[in-house]
Amino acid sequence: QKEVEQDPGPLSVPEGAIVSLNCTYSNSAFQYFMWYRQYSRKGPELLMYTYSSGNKEDGRFTAQVDKSSKYISLFIRDSQPSDSATYLCAMSLRQGAQKLVFGQGTRLTINP
Amino acid sequence: SAVISQKPSRDICQRGTSLTIQCQVDSQVTMMFWYRQQPGQSLTLIATANQGSEATYESGFVIDKFPISRPNLTFSTLTVSNMSPEDSSIYLCSVEVAGRVNTEAFFGQGTRLTVV
Repeated sequence: QKEVEQDPGPLSVPEGAIVSLNCTYSNSAFQYFMWYRQYSRKGPELLMYTYSSGNKEDGRFTAQVDKSSKYISLFIRDSQPSDSATYLCAMSLRQGAQKLVFGQGTRLTINP
Repeated sequence: SAVISQKPSRDICQRGTSLTIQCQVDSQVTMMFWYRQQPGQSLTLIATANQGSEATYESGFVIDKFPISRPNLTFSTLTVSNMSPEDSSIYLCSVEVAGRVNTEAFFGQGTRLTVV
């Protein structure tokens, strides 16, 4: 079993839809949870960063962490074609860039 | 933030040969990381490279196959040795720097390697 599971998709939705992306994990010791966005032929860039359980909102993006269920989510409201990318969840035991464990990534397409 | 340049951006190599990938950062960083992103697979950490010390390799990766250099605080190289088609992948360099909220990982654009 992989340490972090993420549905690879692909996921295709119309412009303006609400998108829900999810990951599950097995290591209950993870404390830091991240979502990265990766455009084609580019490196991943950090989108959302959450410590422990709870919600965090940044513009059209909301990250949720439920440590009791070992489940994290990213919601995108009013999705735009420019949101089309691969979204990777990542988590770690400590703050920073060390020992990040990534999900497989979900390829998302927003259709105009 | 950090700007990371990787070279080459892509290459096609013959099996049995070696390729050295360069990673240049626009600021001094303590920690640099090398990842592999195989088709349909998770981004996987190969090793952590700190200046002035030997790289630390993750389980399943060995120095003979992936030797790493870290001569200074802005530069690192990863060599993929004695390549086979299974080494076809995207290789990414990453650094830890202060971000908007906390220290975070910044990634280069990756090197797309195809072994034939």
